[in-house]
Amino acid sequence: DVQMTQSPSAVSASVGDRVTITCRASQGISYNLVWLQQKPGTVPKRLIYEASTLQDGVPSRFSGSGSGTEFTLTISSLQPEDLATYSCLQYYIYPWTFGQGTKVEI
Amino acid sequence: EVQLVESGGGLVQPGRSLRLSCTGSGFTLGDFVVIWFRQAPGKGLEWVGHIRNRAIGETTEYATSVKGRFTISRDDSKSIAYLEMNSLKAEDTGVYYCSRSRRAVPIYFFDKWGQGTLVTVAS
Repeated sequence: DVQMTQSPSAVSASVGDRVTITCRASQGISYNLVWLQQKPGTVPKRLIYEASTLQDGVPSRFSGSGSGTEFTLTISSLQPEDLATYSCLQYYIYPWTFGQGTKVEI
Repeated sequence: EVQLVESGGGLVQPGRSLRLSCTGSGFTLGDFVVIWFRQAPGKGLEWVGHIRNRAIGETTEYATSVKGRFTISRDDSKSIAYLEMNSLKAEDTGVYYCSRSRRAVPIYFFDKWGQGTLVTVAS
């Protein structure tokens, strides 16, 4: 199985801060990765697909980068509404696997 | 409006069966792969399995934890995909979500999710 090691598991930051979340794959997954946001009590929402393509309607402060084994989700200027858990999902190799999630607190 | 709606969750005893449904509207479900995910209480997301659409064979893939116990099927005439869960265990407890994807069309990869349905396996 491809292990997706996501870090940090939690981060507390202030409004306006830059937040970076990393997912490392135990083997190459090309760019077959999505980033999901899950606000408390809500359904997961796709933010980024193919590692770096921003979902329509998602604020431009969110960005994704990487390919192969290392991927990054960056929030350039944290906003109060960004309180959520962020997870990566690789869909290159079966079984598809998620990172453990990063809880972002304001 | 594009929607996916899960139904069929509930409380079930260990060893029993349950069938979940995922109903699509606002788009042609038959053009899409339907994926099932789940989330145990307080835990992260887990891929359960998926079923490809007819044009690419209508074949299925499953996570190791459910292979042999869960079966995914679809009825595109009703725009519904099913997750048949047998021999349920306590560790199958969680919210089950369906999502969609479309082969070679990344804009549709996991772009829509249902609201989820809660399955509780307990005696």
